[in-house]
Amino acid sequence: DIQLTQSPSTLSASVGDRVTITCRASQSIDSWLSWYQQKPGKAPKLLINRASTLESGVPSRFSGSESGTVFTLTIGSLQPDDFATYYCQQYKTYSHVTFGQGTKVEIK
Amino acid sequence: QVQLQESGPGLVKPSETLSLTCTVSGGSVSSVTHYWSWVRQPPGKALEWIGYIYYSGSTYSNPSLKSRLTLAVDTSRNQFSLNLRSVTAADTADYYCAASSTSKQMYVWGPGILVAVSS
Repeated sequence: DIQLTQSPSTLSASVGDRVTITCRASQSIDSWLSWYQQKPGKAPKLLINRASTLESGVPSRFSGSESGTVFTLTIGSLQPDDFATYYCQQYKTYSHVTFGQGTKVEIK
Repeated sequence: QVQLQESGPGLVKPSETLSLTCTVSGGSVSSVTHYWSWVRQPPGKALEWIGYIYYSGSTYSNPSLKSRLTLAVDTSRNQFSLNLRSVTAADTADYYCAASSTSKQMYVWGPGILVAVSS
């Protein structure tokens, strides 16, 4: 099984801060990784597909990158609407898709 | 624009079967470029992938649930469904259906439905 480890689990930040969330895969997943944003009581929303492809309509302050088995979601300048929980997801093999444990971005 | 809506009972007794349906609008469950997913989230916890189904009926399921799980697609009603047998309190969760395409993962989600397992 491919495990995903997200860090940190909670992040306290202020509006305007640059925020980075890391997702580490237990083995190579090539670029088969997505990032989602979830707000309380709502369904997740796809932000980034294939590690770095921004979904249509998602603000450009969001970006994704990869280096080997380490994937990063960056919010260039945190906005009030960005306080939420973020999940990574790998889908290298459709027989066992996995999500990370989530990173909650809260107001400092 | 594809839209999804989950439906089913909000309360299921332990040892019984949890049955949910996802209705697809604005698109076709028979699309050869799409596949249909179920994801769940226990209260206060992380997302957990349940499985995928294609229009053909081919499925991929989470190994931890596979022995209790049946996924199906009904092209005549433009729906897909989930049956989870022998439920326990650990199956209490928000259940979501989602649409994926050959080019991107889970890009459309239903609003979710909370299912509680309790006597």
